[in-house]
Amino acid sequence: KQEVTQIPAALSVPEGENLVLNCSFTDSAIYNLQWFRQDPGKGLTSLLLIQSSQREQTSGRLNASLDKSSGRSTLYIAASQPGDSATYLCAVRLDSNYQLIWGAGTKLIIKP
Amino acid sequence: GAVVSQHPSWVICKSGTSVKIECRSLDFQATTMFWYRQFPKQSLMLMATSNEGSKATYEQGVEKDKFLINHASLTLSTLTVTSAHPEDSSFYICSARDGYVETQYFGPGTRLLVL
Repeated sequence: KQEVTQIPAALSVPEGENLVLNCSFTDSAIYNLQWFRQDPGKGLTSLLLIQSSQREQTSGRLNASLDKSSGRSTLYIAASQPGDSATYLCAVRLDSNYQLIWGAGTKLIIKP
Repeated sequence: GAVVSQHPSWVICKSGTSVKIECRSLDFQATTMFWYRQFPKQSLMLMATSNEGSKATYEQGVEKDKFLINHASLTLSTLTVTSAHPEDSSFYICSARDGYVETQYFGPGTRLLVL
């Protein structure tokens, strides 16, 4: 059974720092992996999607990497800003269907 | 980009009443829609998968008679929480799969509070 774990559960850093969020999964047979952002009481915003054949994706200050063999993905945020404060979720899509398996999220606080 | 809407965004109801939540894909046809539930400080839990014109597939532990799902058209799925109780209070999020681009788009969520 696929399980997705995110570490740390919460992170607080000063503005301007570069930071890394971690996501690990137990079964390497994934179709893709996606990082989302969720603001308090709101829905989800897709940030980056990495196909199983890819090793990384970049969007602005965000860079996500994928190492299928080790079951790990990282989300790198450069030059963090207070507006980056949110909960970041990773989710893997299984090979066989469109179901997403979710991590519990990392709550990020960027202090001004 | 593709947009998925949910209505209502907030609902407060008395215990024992039924609540219907709508999920619409606004500019694409969604052959598959997913319903999730999220409790405070927890991640999303998939409740059920619905395909247009067929019965929904429920995840283990989700009561299909309590959470009625109807996916009658390619742009609309509804989740009805029947005889709601306080423990059903949660944040319900739907997503819709655009088959042409193989992407899921998420709705903004519906917060349900059962008194």
